[in-house]
Amino acid sequence: AQSVTQPDIHITVSEGASLELRCNYSYGATPYLFWYVQSPGQGLQLLLKYFSGDTLVQGIKGFEAEFKRSQSSFNLRKPSVHWSDAAEYFCAVAPLSGGYNKLIFGAGTRLAVHP
Amino acid sequence: DVKVTQSSRYLVKRTGEKVFLECVQDMDHENMFWYRQDPGLGLRLIYFSYDVKMKEKGDIPEGYSVSREKKERFSLILESASTNQTSMYLCASSPRSQGTYNEQFFGPGTRLTVL
Repeated sequence: AQSVTQPDIHITVSEGASLELRCNYSYGATPYLFWYVQSPGQGLQLLLKYFSGDTLVQGIKGFEAEFKRSQSSFNLRKPSVHWSDAAEYFCAVAPLSGGYNKLIFGAGTRLAVHP
Repeated sequence: DVKVTQSSRYLVKRTGEKVFLECVQDMDHENMFWYRQDPGLGLRLIYFSYDVKMKEKGDIPEGYSVSREKKERFSLILESASTNQTSMYLCASSPRSQGTYNEQFFGPGTRLTVL
């Protein structure tokens, strides 16, 4: 069955430190891959997406993600975290046969940022 | 700017009540979605609609129904609310798929508590 795994439920980093959030997917073929962010009291906002081509994708707010086919991973990174990055982050996949843009989400990683 | 609005941010209902959650989008999108979000489970698709009066079951449709009488409005109905339906409900919309994925835009969510 298709699934998305985010192994880290909760991560705490200091402001200015680097960040990496992990995401692994289980799917027969390379799906479309996404990272969303949900700030407190807000809906989800798309950070970045990967469809094909360059495996390192740039997103908004200084985030980037690297697709590694051999590891079925799509990890999210940021070189220097800001206090405003505290939020919940969701990795999601859209199978190529999804038809109506069906998204499958991971359980989420909640990021806390220490001053 | 795409805007997806949900009728209530917080809702408290009693077991057995009929509950309506409303979602409106202003971008003339064909696709609309209802998800529920639970800690440790991420977002799970309840129902989606790809056109007026058209609907498809998602991954967890049991206990829910939907209505789409107008293109901009998608309603989620709990015929007889139960405590296990206490959750955050998120609505999303996207343009019709034209052979590629189209970004889903999310509303701020409705936190429903069933007592």
